[in-house]
Amino acid sequence: EPEVTQTPSHQVTQMGQEVILRCVPISNHLYFYWYRQILGQKVEFLVSFYNNEISEKSEIFDDQFSVERPDGSNFTLKIRSTKLEDSAMYFCASRGQGVHYGYTFGSGTRLTVV
Amino acid sequence: AQKITQTQPGMFVQEKEAVTLDCTYDTSDQSYGLFWYKQPSSGEMIFLIYQGSYDEQNATEGRYSLNFQKARKSANLVISASQLGDSAMYFCAMREGIPNTGNQFYFGTGTSLTVIP
Repeated sequence: EPEVTQTPSHQVTQMGQEVILRCVPISNHLYFYWYRQILGQKVEFLVSFYNNEISEKSEIFDDQFSVERPDGSNFTLKIRSTKLEDSAMYFCASRGQGVHYGYTFGSGTRLTVV
Repeated sequence: AQKITQTQPGMFVQEKEAVTLDCTYDTSDQSYGLFWYKQPSSGEMIFLIYQGSYDEQNATEGRYSLNFQKARKSANLVISASQLGDSAMYFCAMREGIPNTGNQFYFGTGTSLTVIP
């Protein structure tokens, strides 16, 4: 079963530092996403990416955030100058054009900002 | 208005019994998709089942079935013959618009299911 791979699984960073969360989507998928889930809360959309550009982003995805697909396989989320409230589980997801059009989620990166 | 509403923050079910997790949705689109995901304590999100807005039959996947009532805008998940491993958070989600687009998914707040031996 193809997987979406996220690294690292856990990251602790100091407030104000930059972090890069990495994802390797399923190779033949076309749409890529980042979501976050603050502990105990619902999953929130951050950004979608298609054809090497952002196709949609939420109000959470402000100038502090950026995404890249630098080499055709990795899909990264950069958070500049992290804040305490950025502590959350960050999920990468990718989607192909399969019959159920569902996402395949990665196992998440738990980011803790201290 | 919330796109997805899950009104049951927590549910308990006896092992081997069936359980229904409620989900209602709000959209003005004619084409949309409804999904259920399971999130065990380890944190990953596991796709369970999908229902398209034009599908006439309720979706089924093994012990999971989706009770789709379009007029009531509800998409309840039914888990039959509950197992201890079913204990997890369950999220209902919706994609608006036609498939093959990059549209975001909207998630509900989740229902925590505990299966009692």
